[in-house]
Amino acid sequence: GENVEQHPSTLSVQEGDSAVIKCTYSDSASNYFPWYKQELGKRPQLIIDIRSNVGEKKDQRIAVTLNKTAKHFSLHITETQPEDSAVYFCAASIVAAGNKLTFGGGTRVLVKP
Amino acid sequence: GAGVSQSPSNKVTEKGKDVELRCDPISGHTALYWYRQSLGQGLEFLIYFQGNSAPDKSGLPSDRFSAERTGGSVSTLTIQRTQQEDSAVYLCASSLSRTGTSGPRSSYEQYFGPGTRLTVT
Repeated sequence: GENVEQHPSTLSVQEGDSAVIKCTYSDSASNYFPWYKQELGKRPQLIIDIRSNVGEKKDQRIAVTLNKTAKHFSLHITETQPEDSAVYFCAASIVAAGNKLTFGGGTRVLVKP
Repeated sequence: GAGVSQSPSNKVTEKGKDVELRCDPISGHTALYWYRQSLGQGLEFLIYFQGNSAPDKSGLPSDRFSAERTGGSVSTLTIQRTQQEDSAVYLCASSLSRTGTSGPRSSYEQYFGPGTRLTVT
């Protein structure tokens, strides 16, 4: 089955700096890659997603890049703010197989003011 | 509109007892998923329902786990003879469809409920 590895497990950045989280996946058939943000005690919430037919997607300060050949994708957060502090999860799925998400282990991001 | 809801929010049970966890998906969402979030295993898929099709049970960790979805809406996850390793947060998610056109936000987005924290003592 699919295996998703996520790095780093923790990331501390100064407010205003950029944060990058990287994930690799094992199943070349995966074609949907969402990123979820989970604040302490809250539910995971989708922040951005990308399908395999595009290489990059951007939404304000957040961007995701996908390299299908290398089977890795990354989340980029620019101009970080204290409210960006949370745990971020990447995931991968095969849409036609039910879109069952396989998650990475998570990255705890701390933005220091 | 109303999001995904789950009940109870917390459940403490003794080892060996059965528990039932409930999920109310977003109205009109045909796909429903159960995931488990634990410190040791992270977020893992358990079971998936799509419309009236037979559920995909490929993620259930043992035959003590079962789930049903009545009328294509509410779902119940049942854990029989609970064990301490079952302690986790059980998350339900629903999605509009597993197919469809994409817009600014993909139609594949899964909306999560607040979860049920299960503690087996």
